[in-house]
Amino acid sequence: DQQVKQNSPSLSVQEGRISILNCDYTNSMFDYFLWYKKYPAEGPTFLISISSIKDKNEDGRFTVFLNKSAKHLSLHIVPSQPGDSAVYFCAASAGSNFGNEKLTFGTGTRLTIIP
Amino acid sequence: DGGITQSPKYLFRKEGQNVTLSCEQNLNHDAMYWYRQDPGQGLRLIYYSQIVNDFQKGDIAEGYSVSREKKESFPLTVTSAQKNPTAFYLCASSIRGNYGYTFGSGTRLTVV
Repeated sequence: DQQVKQNSPSLSVQEGRISILNCDYTNSMFDYFLWYKKYPAEGPTFLISISSIKDKNEDGRFTVFLNKSAKHLSLHIVPSQPGDSAVYFCAASAGSNFGNEKLTFGTGTRLTIIP
Repeated sequence: DGGITQSPKYLFRKEGQNVTLSCEQNLNHDAMYWYRQDPGQGLRLIYYSQIVNDFQKGDIAEGYSVSREKKESFPLTVTSAQKNPTAFYLCASSIRGNYGYTFGSGTRLTVV
């Protein structure tokens, strides 16, 4: 049972345009969401996160939007740069229950930025 | 510099053999995790440990074993009972109550 879903395995975007990566979840206990970026043969690195008490969080070129009623979140990258080409994982936690911080990851979306 | 180290980076194993993947962190993190990555499957949780001498099974623990004798170390043994061990294995750590993980650079295990 895939509790965190990224339905687009891949996405190609022109350099300078907006990249939008989507993520859906089914577990209503999830209350914290994160995006990780991963290059080949490396471990994922943390990108941005959002708590369920917010609907938007921004950090430079990266913005995450959360729609709790739809159980949907999205990551916007503006403007997209060639270095953004990587696999992006959405992750979720029911961590407000202390001691249950383990993350559930989606299947990832491979983003390719076209120069 | 603080970080999390996985070794070796590449590992080859003959069928029927057990193999142990190393994971060491000097971040003073309480919790440690093992994930497996397969193409199209994302990251799946194998085992996790929130304190020394305690660990819990994740979603795909069958065929794996772990120990947590020291806070800094969380080795993963892939046993001969694991049917499809060829994969990319990732270790991570975090502070309890903090949802952000620090990941190691991974170990690619290939069964030959």
